[in-house]
Amino acid sequence: QSVLTQPPSVSAAPGQKVTISCSGSSSNIGNNYVSWYQQLTGTAPKLLIYENNKRPSGIPDRFSGSKSGTSATLGITGLQTGDEADYYCGTWDSSQSSRVFGGGTKLTVL
Amino acid sequence: EVQLLESGGGLVQPGGSLRLACAASGFTFNTYTMSWVRQAPGNGLEWVSAITSSGDFTNYADSVRGRFTVSRDNSKSTLYLQMDSLRAEDTAVYYCARSSTVTTVDYWGQGTLVTVSS
Repeated sequence: QSVLTQPPSVSAAPGQKVTISCSGSSSNIGNNYVSWYQQLTGTAPKLLIYENNKRPSGIPDRFSGSKSGTSATLGITGLQTGDEADYYCGTWDSSQSSRVFGGGTKLTVL
Repeated sequence: EVQLLESGGGLVQPGGSLRLACAASGFTFNTYTMSWVRQAPGNGLEWVSAITSSGDFTNYADSVRGRFTVSRDNSKSTLYLQMDSLRAEDTAVYYCARSSTVTTVDYWGQGTLVTVSS
């Protein structure tokens, strides 16, 4: 069971917007930056968002991140079929002294 | 270009040992904390272990502490994971990952599959 809680799946039509939530506690999200990762089928994860809302170079501005209290959210606008993937949130947990990930959310673009 | 290339995965019997390696290139290896993250078939990501840039400090997930040992050779830009007393539940793809900060893994290798089965 993951320390960070994500919905197992979300779906939306091409061109629409979707949000993925990540819920934690004061020992992780509440006091640390959150990162988001995209994992296409059969490939390694890729960094999408770091420090809550920053995008690495090459990541389009269709992807955005935010954090409020002990929860974080990934937003994707202008959905494309190529966005179909598993998405994971991650951060540091101070009580466990370890990096932690959410259970992952499967995005389906209908 | 940052590259992380894992090797050493394979089939091993329960109770056996395996040593994974990760050859890094395209960045100054000895200035980054490095991590191992695994993913069991059909499951999510699980952080396994990390080691600081100098190798002075290591930490482990509770699930592997006492059985796995992380190390690095900065002269060879290589990260290692020695896995002993392997169990069926250790079956997973193991990813080598670079940590840009304590909360962020910014580059991942392609992964190497470890299967623990008799």
